[in-house]
Amino acid sequence: KAGVTQTPRYLIKTRGQQVTLSCSPISGHRSVSWYQQTPGQGLQFLFEYFSETQRNKGNFPGRFSGRQFSNSRSEMNVSTLELGDSALYLCASTQTGSDYGYTFGSGTRLTVV
Amino acid sequence: TQLLEQSPQFLSIQEGENLTVYCNSSSVFSSLQWYRQEPGEGPVLLVTVVTGGEVKKLKRLTFQFGDARKDSSLHITAAQPGDTGLYLCAGAPRGGSQGNLIFGKGTKLSVKP
Repeated sequence: KAGVTQTPRYLIKTRGQQVTLSCSPISGHRSVSWYQQTPGQGLQFLFEYFSETQRNKGNFPGRFSGRQFSNSRSEMNVSTLELGDSALYLCASTQTGSDYGYTFGSGTRLTVV
Repeated sequence: TQLLEQSPQFLSIQEGENLTVYCNSSSVFSSLQWYRQEPGEGPVLLVTVVTGGEVKKLKRLTFQFGDARKDSSLHITAAQPGDTGLYLCAGAPRGGSQGNLIFGKGTKLSVKP
């Protein structure tokens, strides 16, 4: 079966712009989570969606938002980009919940200049 | 704030050597997961341990969950160059919301031929 698909793979944006990243989970997986990975902080949880509802949110500013569609596909948006938002953004999906592990996508590498 | 301390941060060994990576916390987790990540890719789930004291083996890799469910270890026997990568432990908070995995900062393993 197809894995978790993230688009685009690479993105370069200018400070102040906004960006939208997309994630298609594994078919049948209703839970989608987003993580930010940086060399200094490692992987940090952004938010989790289940059946189009945000169930959990990490400690990130309101500039970071997301949504999930009826087909479980998810998008995350970052507005007013800052240099510090440069990171690998990872999407992960699961069928049964966080206790049993996630399947991650390859990520979107965002560079803010 | 729940934290997972992972050690060592870096490990460079010769092919055939054994190694152990540790993951420690003061918090109890309902499960502990180990992932391996290669450059430019998302983490790939290796194993999930759920029961305190549980030991799981995956070929040359042995994973252990502490009795109190606060710590875990990964032992690799006779390491091979193909084992090179970033090893991440991740805990699912006990009684916490779904989707929020707490990640350690990772152990970067390099196995030289």
